[in-house]
Amino acid sequence: NAGVTQTPKFRVLKTGQSMTLLCAQDMNHEYMYWYRQDPGMGLRLIHYSVGEGTTAKGEVPDGYNVSRLKKQNFLLGLESAAPSQTSVYFCASSYLAETQYFGPGTRLLVL
Amino acid sequence: AQKITQTQPGMFVQEKEAVTLDCTYDTSDPSYGLFWYKQPSSGEMIFLIYQGSYDQQNATEGRYSLNFQKARKSANLVISASQLGDSAMYFCAMRGVKETSGSRLTFGEGTQLTVNP
Repeated sequence: NAGVTQTPKFRVLKTGQSMTLLCAQDMNHEYMYWYRQDPGMGLRLIHYSVGEGTTAKGEVPDGYNVSRLKKQNFLLGLESAAPSQTSVYFCASSYLAETQYFGPGTRLLVL
Repeated sequence: AQKITQTQPGMFVQEKEAVTLDCTYDTSDPSYGLFWYKQPSSGEMIFLIYQGSYDQQNATEGRYSLNFQKARKSANLVISASQLGDSAMYFCAMRGVKETSGSRLTFGEGTQLTVNP
């Protein structure tokens, strides 16, 4: 039981490049989330999903898109990366409105 | 809007002593949940403890307990018998009932705990 996994662990992008972060969970959770963590701050919600095929905006959605084609996967896309998107990205999942369990994080550096 | 405030950027404690990490919150939701997460230097977010706003008793999980004072809107984390491995960043977070369609969490800025030998 791997829990929540994230791919990749670390990535460097140039401004304007695009990329997709993959989150996978094997706990059969309905809800999944993407957060970002900036230095000295707590986590802020980017987008979330309450089920396969559904997505919704969180607190800081601009510049990101998401897709939930399969229940176990939640993808976060950056269409045109900007230096302001340099951050650590965390994926989480939960059984409905219960406790959220987090993945190990992806460190993204945009030059 | 929901808000979590952690007023202690850093805390120090001697090994084997108890320490309290402060958390105050603000919400207009009649029902909500409060969480504490630990983030060690390796970066992962580890769930520690949960308290529901209607729970009659304070939550406990091993050496962790949550001192919940609803009237004061505080949800302090108490770590008993501190260990060197407790050195980490600790985040308080809240989920409001209006946001259960998504169950989003609002996080505080965290408290860096250092346990000294």
